[in-house]
Amino acid sequence: EDQVTQSPEALRLQEGESSSLNCSYTVSGLRGLFWYRQDPGKGPEFLFTLYSAGEEKEKERLKATLTKKESFLHITAPKPEDSATYLCAVEQGGSEKLVFGKGTKLTVNP
Amino acid sequence: DTAVSQTPKYLVTQMGNDKSIKCEQNLGHDTMYWYKQDSKKFLKIMFSYNNKELIINETVPNRFSPKSPDKAHLNLHINSLELGDSAVYFCASSPRVDSPLHFGNGTRLTVT
Repeated sequence: EDQVTQSPEALRLQEGESSSLNCSYTVSGLRGLFWYRQDPGKGPEFLFTLYSAGEEKEKERLKATLTKKESFLHITAPKPEDSATYLCAVEQGGSEKLVFGKGTKLTVNP
Repeated sequence: DTAVSQTPKYLVTQMGNDKSIKCEQNLGHDTMYWYKQDSKKFLKIMFSYNNKELIINETVPNRFSPKSPDKAHLNLHINSLELGDSAVYFCASSPRVDSPLHFGNGTRLTVT
């Protein structure tokens, strides 16, 4: 049973077309939810950590939000360089390990 | 300047062989990890070491043996390689077990 589900699997946007990626989780006792960006042939790069429902974090065109069941990664006016796979991961209290979702592959066309 | 470095970047070998992947981090982190990313891009933890002590050992065949000679290094040795071992293996480090991970750029292992 998947503990972390990301949707959509793939998303294609035009430059400037804002959208959101979803990460839903079923773990109890969430210790932290992490967003990473992965470019082809590279390792994941850390973006945000969210710890409690209602928390929001922003970085350039990206904004991450968290509820008790899911997190959204909002992308405002994306540029082609935002094209990447975005991974969500959760850490359950007491587990000391991250469980990753399968990612959303974002393509932003110029 | 590379924070987490893995060698080799590509590894092509035949079934039954034994191979090693090396990882070094220069961030001064206490915790290091090995993750496996399969063909579906699913990233799963294999092992975690904190201050050279094994703290996470997922359900991984015992053909896989991690070794941490010191806090800055975590190597992965694989015996009797099988076709299903083909994947990208990522090393990562973090200051503490609940901190964000810093990943290396991966080792693509192909078993023929």
